[in-house]
Amino acid sequence: SYELTQPPSVSVSPGQTASITCSGDKLGDKYACWYQQKPGQSPVLVIYQDSKRPSGIPERFSGSNSGSTATLTISGTQAMDEADYYCQAWESGTAEFGGGTKLTVL
Amino acid sequence: QVQLQESGPGLVKPSETLSLTCTVSGDSISTYYWSWIRQPPEKGLEWIGYIYYTGSTNYNPSLKSRVTISVDTSKNRFSLRLSSVTAADTAVYYCARRAGDAFDVWGQGTMVTVSS
Repeated sequence: SYELTQPPSVSVSPGQTASITCSGDKLGDKYACWYQQKPGQSPVLVIYQDSKRPSGIPERFSGSNSGSTATLTISGTQAMDEADYYCQAWESGTAEFGGGTKLTVL
Repeated sequence: QVQLQESGPGLVKPSETLSLTCTVSGDSISTYYWSWIRQPPEKGLEWIGYIYYTGSTNYNPSLKSRVTISVDTSKNRFSLRLSSVTAADTAVYYCARRAGDAFDVWGQGTMVTVSS
């Protein structure tokens, strides 16, 4: 099966830029999405089609995807951004999720 | 505003069949694809499968032998059946709308525990 690999954890200071990576074989040839999940809540789509933001998602969230790595970037990270983040892509009609990255803002 | 609501038993015995329903409000089920996704406690997300209003389905190969997803367009809802459950199937089960390559709307999730 297709695997997407994320770092288990990322730490960032408030106001700084956080980058979360997602690696997979030829991931750049697919569309990558990103979801934010806070404790006890359902996931929320924050980036789709590599770099597009759904309505209501702050501009500080951005994405890119090239080669074998997709990246979620949060500029000017705020305390409210502390959450788990999951990447997702499709391979042969099957949706695959990365293992998730816990973003800590400290 | 589209909303999804999962419903079904919170406790299922081992070897039995898990059955959940997702009711869609604020949108017709006859658009988009509709998915089930689960999350075991303290673990990541796992896609189970999707269905189109025509009844066309696609399932995660790892679960395919035990999964059935069906749709009831008259009631604007779709359902999940997972047979021969074990403790490994204990999870929060989400229904979600697939728009293009992304899951853009999610239900609140329902916890299902497999235990005797």
